[in-house]
Amino acid sequence: EVELVESGGGLVQPGGSLRVSCAASGFTFSDFWMHWVRQAPGKGLEWVSHIKPDGTITNYADSVKGRFTISRDNAKNTLFLQMNSLRAEDTAVYYCLRGGLGAFDYWGQGTLVTVSS
Amino acid sequence: DIVVTQTPLSLSVTPGQPASISCKSTQSLLKSDGKTSLYWYLQKPGQAPQLLIYELSRRFSGVPDRFSGSGSGTDFTLKISRVEAEDVGVYYCTQHIQAPYTFGQGTKLEIK
Repeated sequence: EVELVESGGGLVQPGGSLRVSCAASGFTFSDFWMHWVRQAPGKGLEWVSHIKPDGTITNYADSVKGRFTISRDNAKNTLFLQMNSLRAEDTAVYYCLRGGLGAFDYWGQGTLVTVSS
Repeated sequence: DIVVTQTPLSLSVTPGQPASISCKSTQSLLKSDGKTSLYWYLQKPGQAPQLLIYELSRRFSGVPDRFSGSGSGTDFTLKISRVEAEDVGVYYCTQHIQAPYTFGQGTKLEIK
């Protein structure tokens, strides 16, 4: 059974940093593109970033480019999102997604990141 | 960026009745391999979104056959043939033909 479990969310001050993680199980992690999508409270979905199976290609939404870094450890079946220079508008639930069937076939339950002083 | 627009933004349906959601994109979602990169997700209350329909019209594993996707090019539709209580939530269409992958605003389905 595919399982994606995010962790590392919490409260951080504006300008601060946070790293969220996603532990994957139930599939061959190194075979799949992986993504982060976020959802601000009461709002819709926004794609944030993705990474190729071998980690050599990454892309970002303009809203986070230069501040966020996606990475992965295929030996530990773990996906990461390093978030720097955080702003209030980055407050959201961050979902880890598997890139299957040409899009996002499995989602984690999400981890809440709150940026506030 | 490709903009994806859903209508209506909310829907109230009597159980057993059909429902339909429209999704339009600003660029064609037809890929060179003949597949259409349009996907539908349902976010049930308090849950993460889940995949319903992939590549325009293919139902994901476990999705009831009362859900169907159709359309072409830039105009797409999700239909529920007979709405059930468990179908409540917010439905999103999304394009996955080019990054940044973009979602529609969401359509909230409620039961009358």
